[in-house]
Amino acid sequence: EAGVAQSPRYKIIEKRQSVAFWCNPISGHATLYWYQQILGQGPKLLIQFQNNGVVDDSQLPKDRFSAERLKGVDSTLKIQPAKLEDSAVYLCASSLDLGQNNEQFFGPGTRLTVL
Amino acid sequence: AQSVTQPDIHITVSEGASLELRCNYSYGATPYLFWYVQSPGQGLQLLLKYFSGDTLVQGIKGFEAEFKRSQSSFNLRKPSVHWSDAAEYFCAVGGNAGNNRKLIWGLGTSLAVNP
Repeated sequence: EAGVAQSPRYKIIEKRQSVAFWCNPISGHATLYWYQQILGQGPKLLIQFQNNGVVDDSQLPKDRFSAERLKGVDSTLKIQPAKLEDSAVYLCASSLDLGQNNEQFFGPGTRLTVL
Repeated sequence: AQSVTQPDIHITVSEGASLELRCNYSYGATPYLFWYVQSPGQGLQLLLKYFSGDTLVQGIKGFEAEFKRSQSSFNLRKPSVHWSDAAEYFCAVGGNAGNNRKLIWGLGTSLAVNP
């Protein structure tokens, strides 16, 4: 079974530039998550989708971050414009469905450096 | 407020020695508890989880954890550590309904293993 795919693996940009990350979840997984993991911290949930609908985006900085999952499969996360404090690893995860009894499977992440 | 505390930022053990990583939580409802491992450059992998029933939970890679409600703890243990166990370990807590579906993460414990 293929795991969660993310691209790119690494990205370096200057502040005020835009960047986009892509995630392809495990086939058949209805729930998709985007996390931000700053160095030395645990993951912070940015947004959670159930199929193509948003379940939770309470911690997404909506003035600069946006995410979509138009067809309920793969997803993109965009930052526009980027700030220095956005430097982090962005993790995508998926699970069969909502609920904690459904294990979240994580992709390898995209390491973003904002200069 | 809901929170997860991992008191040890960094632990070093010798290969073959026993290991215990501490996790304490504050959670208003019945908690679902998780331990994840993150190896360098890799995504997060679920080691084990506790939902209900037997408070001693067995996971992958020879790890186990014990849920102690009276102490609000969910410590991770392994009787004999291998060099390949060197990684970052995260404890997380969540629920299964409404706003409690979001996982609350600890800051992580970095494990180094001496040969």
